[in-house]
Amino acid sequence: SQQGEEDPQALSIQEGENATMNCSYKTSINNLQWYRQNSGRGLVHLILIRSNEREKHSGRLRVTLDTSKKSSSLLITASRAADTASYFCATDETSGSRLTFGEGTQLTVNP
Amino acid sequence: GAGVSQTPSNKVTEKGKYVELRCDPISGHTALYWYRQSLGQGPEFLIYFQGTGAADDSGLPNDRFFAVRPEGSVSTLKIQRTERGDSAVYLCASSLTSGGYQETQYFGPGTRLLVL
Repeated sequence: SQQGEEDPQALSIQEGENATMNCSYKTSINNLQWYRQNSGRGLVHLILIRSNEREKHSGRLRVTLDTSKKSSSLLITASRAADTASYFCATDETSGSRLTFGEGTQLTVNP
Repeated sequence: GAGVSQTPSNKVTEKGKYVELRCDPISGHTALYWYRQSLGQGPEFLIYFQGTGAADDSGLPNDRFFAVRPEGSVSTLKIQRTERGDSAVYLCASSLTSGGYQETQYFGPGTRLLVL
């Protein structure tokens, strides 16, 4: 069963704009990870944030985590056409266990 | 370095046939995971190995699905008496350990299975 729910389901923006995607989950978590997927094939790991962290940065990516609201957001700044992909959040309840994915946000960045 | 590899990339089979899907994890990764992804959905967990043993197989949908990892490296997902509903992309992932601070799961490109 899917734990996470991404919001919005689809997002279309212009190159250079920022993109924000949200994820909500239901149970307590150990970690939350964000992945990108192009064309329905392998997932590329973007960033991992632990349950005791509130914010994390990696290049143009910024992830926040609010465990009291059971939600996370992924911000991509200065988007590029190459950022066009599906983005998924995934949680694990204990260290190293299964990941539970949301249904993803389809991001389209128009040149 | 080499990432997770999966073979075949695509598999077309007929209803009722048996298929095997292979996963080669990143060298040295002790934990290996199988997921299944249907069109427009996020991946769903099937089974997870720590070393040679299945640590959690609760995601396998029924007894037609089975997976092995006999030497703690390569894993094979086996599906018997395939059904059209088994059509999906089967994803494999590996991680350095199943605990501590190395839990990032690295995914392979997937095997797209089509059951006619």
